[in-house]
Amino acid sequence: GQNIDQPTEMTATEGAIVQINCTYQTSGFNGLFWYQQHAGEAPTFLSYNVLDGLEEKGRFSSFLSRSKGYSYLLLKELQMKDSASYLCAVRDGDYKLSFGAGTTVTVRA
Amino acid sequence: IAGITQAPTSQILAAGRRMTLRCTQDMRHNAMYWYRQDLGLGLRLIHYSNTAGTTGKGEVPDGYSVSRANTDDFPLTLASAVPSQTSVYFCASSDGSDTDTQYFGPGTRLTVL
Repeated sequence: GQNIDQPTEMTATEGAIVQINCTYQTSGFNGLFWYQQHAGEAPTFLSYNVLDGLEEKGRFSSFLSRSKGYSYLLLKELQMKDSASYLCAVRDGDYKLSFGAGTTVTVRA
Repeated sequence: IAGITQAPTSQILAAGRRMTLRCTQDMRHNAMYWYRQDLGLGLRLIHYSNTAGTTGKGEVPDGYSVSRANTDDFPLTLASAVPSQTSVYFCASSDGSDTDTQYFGPGTRLTVL
């Protein structure tokens, strides 16, 4: 089976930076995704990493180390609208996505 | 606006009843998926279809069936609902690009009593 771990909850202040870590052990690896999910809504795609290194998209960046089975999502200049759950998902050797349980980020004024 | 639609938005169902959750996409994506999301467990794959006419089992397929008669529609059927099937159900499709990103519908909240 797949094992994907991420913290349950994180709290940060508006304007600050938060780093959400994700570690994984999967049967094969074909990419790692981060999704954002606001309460009561569908997950929406944020980022994709398949090679080691950092991918930057505006205020959001995602990092991958395949040898360590590790990724993080970095959220900079936090805004109140960033309060949401962030889902780490790994595409395995069968090309199926396995999701972590999600990290709920609360941004406080 | 192109995307994925799901129906119904929410449903309360008596145990033992049959229920079909509908999913339609207009993006001409070949692959479609059904997930359930439960608190603390994250999204789990129920069934998938790589292309019209084919289906496969995911991580938690028991008690569910799917069909894929055409590219656009991917209904999920609960033949005889049980309370443990109370969950939020998301349909998704993937774009077949290099990243093959999955895009999700708005979800169906199902309560089985």
